[in-house]
Amino acid sequence: DAKTTQPPSMDCAEGRAANLPCNHSTISGNEYWYRQIHSQGPQYIIHGLKNNETNEMASLIITEDRKSSTLILPHATLRDTAVYYCIVRVHNTDKLIFGTGTRLQVFP
Amino acid sequence: DAGVIQSPRHEVTEMGQEVTLRCKPISGHNSLFWYRQTMMRGLELLIYFNNNVPIDDSGMPEDRFSAKMPNASFSTLKIQPSEPRDSAVYFCASSLYQRGGETQYFGPGTRLLVL
Repeated sequence: DAKTTQPPSMDCAEGRAANLPCNHSTISGNEYWYRQIHSQGPQYIIHGLKNNETNEMASLIITEDRKSSTLILPHATLRDTAVYYCIVRVHNTDKLIFGTGTRLQVFP
Repeated sequence: DAGVIQSPRHEVTEMGQEVTLRCKPISGHNSLFWYRQTMMRGLELLIYFNNNVPIDDSGMPEDRFSAKMPNASFSTLKIQPSEPRDSAVYFCASSLYQRGGETQYFGPGTRLLVL
């Protein structure tokens, strides 16, 4: 099954861009990003397949070989402090496998 | 849109008691997922349904756990008998299944403590 690798933690100054990397072992379908604030339910951020994607929350940059990606929060705020999960779907299923994620701390 | 609704939000029970967790998916969604989250194991998928039919229950830890989806707007996850190691946050999520790759939307979770 596909597996993702993320750094366990990152810091970012408020107002600066937060760039969260993700590496993949294998990937065939969409890549998803979720975040979890405190112990709330995971919140969908963005997803992509081959092309770069942007929405009101973030941008997702995927390398051409699809072996790595970067989630960009263009202007991080204190409320963006959370655990960010990079997830790929198990091939031919609806299953999302959550790893340990990256704990992003935004500081004033 | 009310989002995914879970009840109860908190549950404290004693070992050996039956526990029933409830989930109402987003209206119109036809896939439903049950997850469990602990510090040790992170977020794990227990079971998921498509059109009320269980598709994959390989994540259900043992026979003490069972899940049902009698209709498109309601699902239950039951633990009988409960044990202290079942203490966790249980999340329900739903999505609109079309051709695969659909976004899952999570509920607020049920915090279960088994004494």
